[in-house]
Amino acid sequence: DARVTQTPRHKVTEMGQEVTMRCQPILGHNTVFWYRQTMMQGLELLAYFRNRAPLDDSGMPKDRFSAEMPDATLATLKIQPSEPRDSAVYFCASAKGREANYGYTFGSGTRLTVV
Amino acid sequence: QQQVKQSPQSLIVQKGGISIINCAYENTAFDYFPWYQQFPGKGPALLIAIRPDVSEKKEGRFTISFNKSAKQFSLHIMDSQPGDSATYFCAASQRLGGGADGLTFGKGTHLIIQP
Repeated sequence: DARVTQTPRHKVTEMGQEVTMRCQPILGHNTVFWYRQTMMQGLELLAYFRNRAPLDDSGMPKDRFSAEMPDATLATLKIQPSEPRDSAVYFCASAKGREANYGYTFGSGTRLTVV
Repeated sequence: QQQVKQSPQSLIVQKGGISIINCAYENTAFDYFPWYQQFPGKGPALLIAIRPDVSEKKEGRFTISFNKSAKQFSLHIMDSQPGDSATYFCAASQRLGGGADGLTFGKGTHLIIQP
């Protein structure tokens, strides 16, 4: 089965450190999303790309978060500097087209703990 | 403002019983309503979805009921099994800029099926 691969699966870091999370979308999927999951807020959309172009990152704190897609096989989400409130599970999802037609495929997430 | 409200937050059902999870939305721009299932340590996975021009959709033991006028929809799991124990998210989709779809998720329902 084709799947979305996220690395690392777990990350513990100290406040102020830079964190980079990586995502390999399913080959042929042209839309990539980053979501954050917390107990309090649930699943929140952070940013998304279509054909590698960033279309919307209004869900991200601009001063510390950045998302890029350097090529079709890699999407990255970076936090610099990290803060304890960033502790969450970060999911990448990819889609072949409109979700209504194909559905999203989520990765297994990166669990980030900032101490 | 929470655009998709989901209830209950947690649910315990006996094996063989019917599990019912409810969701309500406000934004009439939503045009597709999927349900996602998430097991611990995994990302959400598409379970079943419905378009607003249909009042009911059934796939195996899973049924979505949709009430467009009330802006409500629900998931029914018939003959609930211990393997159905998971967190269930309702979601609503709308077209974003660039032709992608954005999902707004409910807060989730933690379902436990007791043997």
